[in-house]
Amino acid sequence: DTAVSQTPKYLVTQMGNDKSIKCEQNLGHDTMYWYKQDSKKFLKIMFSYNNKELIINETVPNRFSPKSPDKAHLNLHINSLELGDSAVYFCASSLKQTQYFGPGTRLLVL
Amino acid sequence: AQSVTQLDSQVPVFEEAPVELRCNYSSSVSVYLFWYVQYPNQGLQLLLKYLSGSTLVKGINGFEAEFNKSQTSFHLRKPSVHISDTAEYFCAVSVNTGTASKLTFGTGTRLQVTL
Repeated sequence: DTAVSQTPKYLVTQMGNDKSIKCEQNLGHDTMYWYKQDSKKFLKIMFSYNNKELIINETVPNRFSPKSPDKAHLNLHINSLELGDSAVYFCASSLKQTQYFGPGTRLLVL
Repeated sequence: AQSVTQLDSQVPVFEEAPVELRCNYSSSVSVYLFWYVQYPNQGLQLLLKYLSGSTLVKGINGFEAEFNKSQTSFHLRKPSVHISDTAEYFCAVSVNTGTASKLTFGTGTRLQVTL
């Protein structure tokens, strides 16, 4: 049983397109996150939701919009994709201080 | 704000040798400390964590780390590495913000184990 799952695993798309990445956790956690890992493997938090409410919103372009339909799901929609959006996007969930990560979605914008 | 420094971007080591991956942090408040491992083309797996209590923390795969408050360090150690330990290792800190823990990561250390 996968604790934190993401779909798709790989995403290749053209500049200007709109795409979504989905995340689901079956750990019963209240808090979920999106992180971006760039080409140098640096990880930075983008968003966090607690029980469907946005609580962390880092300096991220408006083209990125998270949506949490329920506390087990946190999706990431990206409008007008740019070359610089190419990265690995990780979803995570937490119980108190400990975060558990999904396998990542590798996004390549051409 | 918190920050994490992993001074070694790469650490080459022979199999069965001991290894230490260094991590130093900066914070004006109490922190929680974590080490994650990322195998090639995979996600992040929690190795170990320090939340409170004993400063020597044992994790999975034979790794351990020691929290040193005076040195603001949380170095990761393993007495004898295996080829399968080859991976990227990330140190991270978080502070208690109530409903969410915002992880700040170091830049990672690539552990390369060779025969």
